[in-house]
Amino acid sequence: SQQGEEDPQALSIQEGENATMNCSYKTSINNLQWYRQNSGRGLVHLILIRSNEREKHSGRLRVTLDTSKKSSSLLITASRAADTASYFCATDAGSNDYKLSFGAGTTVTVRA
Amino acid sequence: DAGVIQSPRHEVTEMGQEVTLRCKPISGHDYLFWYRQTMMRGLELLIYFNNNVPIDDSGMPEDRFSAKMPNASFSTLKIQPSEPRDSAVYFCASSIQGAGGYTFGSGTRLTVV
Repeated sequence: SQQGEEDPQALSIQEGENATMNCSYKTSINNLQWYRQNSGRGLVHLILIRSNEREKHSGRLRVTLDTSKKSSSLLITASRAADTASYFCATDAGSNDYKLSFGAGTTVTVRA
Repeated sequence: DAGVIQSPRHEVTEMGQEVTLRCKPISGHDYLFWYRQTMMRGLELLIYFNNNVPIDDSGMPEDRFSAKMPNASFSTLKIQPSEPRDSAVYFCASSIQGAGGYTFGSGTRLTVV
């Protein structure tokens, strides 16, 4: 079952613009992760944020987490054509359950 | 490290045939996961192993699906008999507990006709 739900489903932006996508989840978590999937490829881990963290950066990526609202956002700054992909948030089930549930994803298209 | 290796990359089979998908996780990773991805249902966790032991197989659709991990470097997912609704991309992923994210393989695209 999908715990995380991304919004929007699809996003089209111009190269150089920022892209923001959101993820909402239902139950308590230990951490939340974001993944990227290029067409026809496997998922690639981008960033992990723990439940006691509020913000994390990695290169052009910025992730926030609001556990009170059970939501997270992923910001990609200064987008490039190579950022065109689907982005998924994934959450564990909390406690000692290590398995991840993935949302339906946000498809991002960066126009040159 | 070559990453998580899955084979075959593509499989086309006839309904009723047995299908075996293979996965070699990253050396040293103690968790292995099998996921299925379809347009309709997204990414679904089928089963996962910890130190070669199946921990949770609640996502396995039915008895036609079985998975094994005979050692730390190899796992199989078998479908017998296969049906057209099994058509999907099957991913294997591995990880180390507490070390962060999963490493996914490139997937096996299964088409059952």
